[in-house]
Amino acid sequence: EVQLVESGGGFIQPGGSLRLSCAASGFTVSSNHMSWVRQAPGKGLEWVSIIYNADDRNYADSVKGRFTISRDNSKNTLYLQLNNLRADDTAVYYCVRGGSAMFWAFEHWGQGTLVTVSS
Amino acid sequence: QSALTQPRSVSGSPGQSVTISCTGTSTDLGTYTYVSWYQQHPGKAPKLMIYDVHKRASGVPDRFSGSKSGNTASLTISGLQADDEAEYFCGSYAGAYTGVFGGGTKLTVL
Repeated sequence: EVQLVESGGGFIQPGGSLRLSCAASGFTVSSNHMSWVRQAPGKGLEWVSIIYNADDRNYADSVKGRFTISRDNSKNTLYLQLNNLRADDTAVYYCVRGGSAMFWAFEHWGQGTLVTVSS
Repeated sequence: QSALTQPRSVSGSPGQSVTISCTGTSTDLGTYTYVSWYQQHPGKAPKLMIYDVHKRASGVPDRFSGSKSGNTASLTISGLQADDEAEYFCGSYAGAYTGVFGGGTKLTVL
């Protein structure tokens, strides 16, 4: 069974940094495209970042240059490093994976971890 | 990477059908057939309902169907049930391994 468990969220001041983790089980992160999706309180979903193929990465314009996605294959864990945080980065961050034979659709979601950026 | 456009809310009575639209552009939804729909109940993670425009995810009843024409995709729910009341989001591939979602539509079952 595919499971994704995020951690690392919390309360942080503007300009600060956090690292989110997503522990995966039931599959190997190295063999799958893995993404982060966020949802600001009461708002819609926003795709944030993807790591795919051997080590290719991409980001939404809103986070490019501030966030970094990575994975540790030995720990089967996905990460998102959040730097220079702003108030509008406040959101629940979900770790997501597509399903079998799905190129761009997110079948598997973690429970999410809340990041609150405020002074 | 502009968000896809969805109506804020729709409603219907039990047993009726409702359709939720999702409008994009020629750089995302209008070009690609990687359109998906997600259902989200309050306090829960989103659940994939439809992918690749019209394919139902595992375990999703055939009351849910998807389609696309030009820059607009649609999710139709027939035989509305109380448990269908939720927020629905559309999503699309936008090229170069990037994606975009809609702002969400609140479905109320009257």
